[in-house]
Amino acid sequence: GAGVSQSPRYKVTKRGQDVALRCDPISGHVSLYWYRQALGQGPEFLTYFNYEAQQDKSGLPNDRFSAERPEGSISTLTIQRTEQRDSAMYRCASSLSGFQETQYFGPGTRLLVL
Amino acid sequence: GIQVEQSPPDLILQEGANSTLRCNFSDSVNNLQWFHQNPWGQLINLFYIPSGTKQNGRLSATTVATERYSLLYISSSQTTDSGVYFCAVTHNNNDMRFGAGTRLTVKP
Repeated sequence: GAGVSQSPRYKVTKRGQDVALRCDPISGHVSLYWYRQALGQGPEFLTYFNYEAQQDKSGLPNDRFSAERPEGSISTLTIQRTEQRDSAMYRCASSLSGFQETQYFGPGTRLLVL
Repeated sequence: GIQVEQSPPDLILQEGANSTLRCNFSDSVNNLQWFHQNPWGQLINLFYIPSGTKQNGRLSATTVATERYSLLYISSSQTTDSGVYFCAVTHNNNDMRFGAGTRLTVKP
């Protein structure tokens, strides 16, 4: 596609429910990144992939958070048993290959956990 | 990990004024990007600039890697320039770290 797309754009869920956030990177981009942005703060790195391989998941807050990119293109970030503190903007970015390339961000998914 | 500090935290300008935003970082970087988060929440890439100087219209950026800072210049500011400007860096090809941002308000 022309840019990074994310869905849904907005998600309201009840505490304890699982949510799945989707990211479709720019076509041909090897690297895909997930970030979380709290209100009034800068994005915070969560994890990233080169092709289908998850390279670094040290930024994931706890084991309720997981991500996959099974075919090296679309990625899903899953949050299990959501808590109110998970409410944030979740952003996806992609780059040609690695951190030394320009990262292009999608529009984000705003998650609200009630 | 690498620290990123942006200044000023807030900036209010009259339309037509010029401004300089600063980003200091605590270690060597492989990547440095400037982003504009517009009032609708979109995060738009402005510059990829780990070193040197680049210009794009009314915007320009300079990174002095040896002195660990980068500057973003906005000339003849417009109301559409309002939003939050983020500096983000990567050290040793690890995660990208964002600063806290500079919130710019341009008044007509």
